[in-house]
Amino acid sequence: DTGVSQDPRHKITKRGQNVTFRCDPISEHNRLYWYRQTLGQGPEFLTYFQNEAQLEKSRLLSDRFSAERPKGSFSTLEIQRTEQGDSAMYLCASSLGTRSGANVLTFGAGSRLTVL
Amino acid sequence: DQQVKQNSPSLSVQEGRISILNCDYTNSMFDYFLWYKKYPAEGPTFLISISSIKDKNEDGRFTVFLNKSAKHLSLHIVPSQPGDSAVYFCAAGYGNKLVFGAGTILRVKS
Repeated sequence: DTGVSQDPRHKITKRGQNVTFRCDPISEHNRLYWYRQTLGQGPEFLTYFQNEAQLEKSRLLSDRFSAERPKGSFSTLEIQRTEQGDSAMYLCASSLGTRSGANVLTFGAGSRLTVL
Repeated sequence: DQQVKQNSPSLSVQEGRISILNCDYTNSMFDYFLWYKKYPAEGPTFLISISSIKDKNEDGRFTVFLNKSAKHLSLHIVPSQPGDSAVYFCAAGYGNKLVFGAGTILRVKS
């Protein structure tokens, strides 16, 4: 297992188009997270899954955004009717999710979205 | 609301000297803290963590100090090396979620 994989690495699209990103987490990890990072900022939490259940969504996640993890393995993040403000790096991370101690997230390299 | 703040956008240090990166937080609910390092075109990579019940954790050249009463933590890198040049993110966690600071760009000059 080579870590968290994200595809595509870079997507350029026109405003109003739909885009979809895919994330393949570390296979033993049951938790999967999506974060968004804009220039000069740290990663901002969007949503997370435990297995196939989406347990939390940020208020940043408007109704144009939808995330799925259908079989508890890979996940997709879809953005409908993209806007220029959606331009950002979309980071996926996974973790084992321990009962106690630090929940260490392992991040992928990210999918950079540019909306023209 | 910025629950985790890294007030220094950048830091420049001479090779071999100590690098000190600082982080402040506001939420008393955080029960663990992590530091991540990020190189360009890569995702953040985990560096070191500390539980809220401890005040120090050390791993090789990296030491994290936590001052709960001041809601402040710092990362010390000794000695600093040119390969340490990266963006460093402080993150605070409670439950299943991590909240990140905006990052500090560290440049280690040789």
